[in-house]
Amino acid sequence: EVQLVESGGGLAQAGGSLRLSCAASGITFSNFWMAWVRQAPGKGLEWVANINKDGSEKYYVDSVEGRFTISRDNAKNSLYLQASSLRVEDTAVYYCGRYGDYGWGLLDYWGQGTLVTISS
Amino acid sequence: QSALTQPASVSGSPGQSITISCTGTSSDFGNYNYVSWYQQHPGKAPKLMIYEVSKRPSGVSNRFSGSKSGNTASLTISGLQAEDEADYYCYSKRSDKRYVFGTGTKVTAL
Repeated sequence: EVQLVESGGGLAQAGGSLRLSCAASGITFSNFWMAWVRQAPGKGLEWVANINKDGSEKYYVDSVEGRFTISRDNAKNSLYLQASSLRVEDTAVYYCGRYGDYGWGLLDYWGQGTLVTISS
Repeated sequence: QSALTQPASVSGSPGQSITISCTGTSSDFGNYNYVSWYQQHPGKAPKLMIYEVSKRPSGVSNRFSGSKSGNTASLTISGLQAEDEADYYCYSKRSDKRYVFGTGTKVTAL
């Protein structure tokens, strides 16, 4: 059974940092592109970043470019999001997702999400 | 990087068909046609319903179908059921290889 479990969320001050983690099980983690998606309270989904299988390609939404860093450790079956210079508007549930390998551009498995709250 | 445009809400009677549109620019869809659709119930993670414009993952009801014409993708739910009440989001790979979600549509079965 495929499982993605996020952790590391919590309360942080504006200007501070947090490191989110996503532990994968039930898959050969190194075979898949991965992504972070967030959802502010009562708002829609927003793609944040993604990373290729070996970590050599990374893409970010404009609003986090230069502040967030996506990375992965295939030996530990884990995905990370280092979030720095946090802003109140970064408050959201952060989901990790797996890009399925039976097609293109599809997120077929998601974690349950971890809540990040940024206070001013 | 603006979100793709979806109607805020769509409603229909049980048994009817409804269609949700997802409009962007040519850059929003690139040359990929990698449009997917997600269903999200309150407090839950999103669920993949359609990928590559019109393909259905295993286990998803054939009442869900997708299409695309020009810069507008669409999701159709046939035979609307109460369990289909949820938020729906389109998702596309852009020409710059980044991704973008739609603004989201709340579906209500009247």
